[in-house]
Amino acid sequence: KQEVTQIPAALSVPEGENLVLNCSFTDSAIYNLQWFRQDPGKGLTSLLLIQSSQREQTSGRLNASLDKSSGRSTLYIAASQPGDSATYLCAVFWVGNSGGSNYKLTFGKGTLLTVNP
Amino acid sequence: DAGVIQSPRHEVTEMGQEVTLRCKPISGHNSLFWYRQTMMRGLELLIYFNNNVPIDDSGMPEDRFSAKMPNASFSTLKIQPSEPRDSAVYFCASSLEWVGDEQYFGPGTRLTVT
Repeated sequence: KQEVTQIPAALSVPEGENLVLNCSFTDSAIYNLQWFRQDPGKGLTSLLLIQSSQREQTSGRLNASLDKSSGRSTLYIAASQPGDSATYLCAVFWVGNSGGSNYKLTFGKGTLLTVNP
Repeated sequence: DAGVIQSPRHEVTEMGQEVTLRCKPISGHNSLFWYRQTMMRGLELLIYFNNNVPIDDSGMPEDRFSAKMPNASFSTLKIQPSEPRDSAVYFCASSLEWVGDEQYFGPGTRLTVT
């Protein structure tokens, strides 16, 4: 069974600081990993998707890395802004025990980020 | 594109009543997902479809839950009978082709069962 853990559960930083959010997973046999952002009362917005063959993906001030062997991914946010305040979730896409067509998706519980002006 | 559309946005019902949640995926997307989010359990994948066919419903909590996708532009999630523990936010998401593609989420339906 795949378990996805995000630490810390909450993080508060001053504006302008660079920060790292962590995601760990127990089964390294994954297809990809996605990072999402969720604003209060809203749905999720996809930020970055890293395929299992990739080591990192970048989009603007965001950089996500993936280390399958250690079961870890990080989301790096540069020069944080108050508008970055949200909950950040990672999700792992993997194959279940019953065979190649039984794809599974497991989410972490998220990190609540607050960027203070 | 209007994105993924869900209705209703809020639903309050009494225990034992039937509840139907609706979703319209992004036009041209071939995969559709139903999720449930609660504070205790986080975000859980309930079921997903590819080309209107249910692929994995192992996340559906029990027989009271059922989902259908009669065509490429419409899906329903039904709870019958509803119970207070079903109270949650239910999200629908869609992706372009494969279930592993980038997902686009709807705004969710907040369900309260009293």
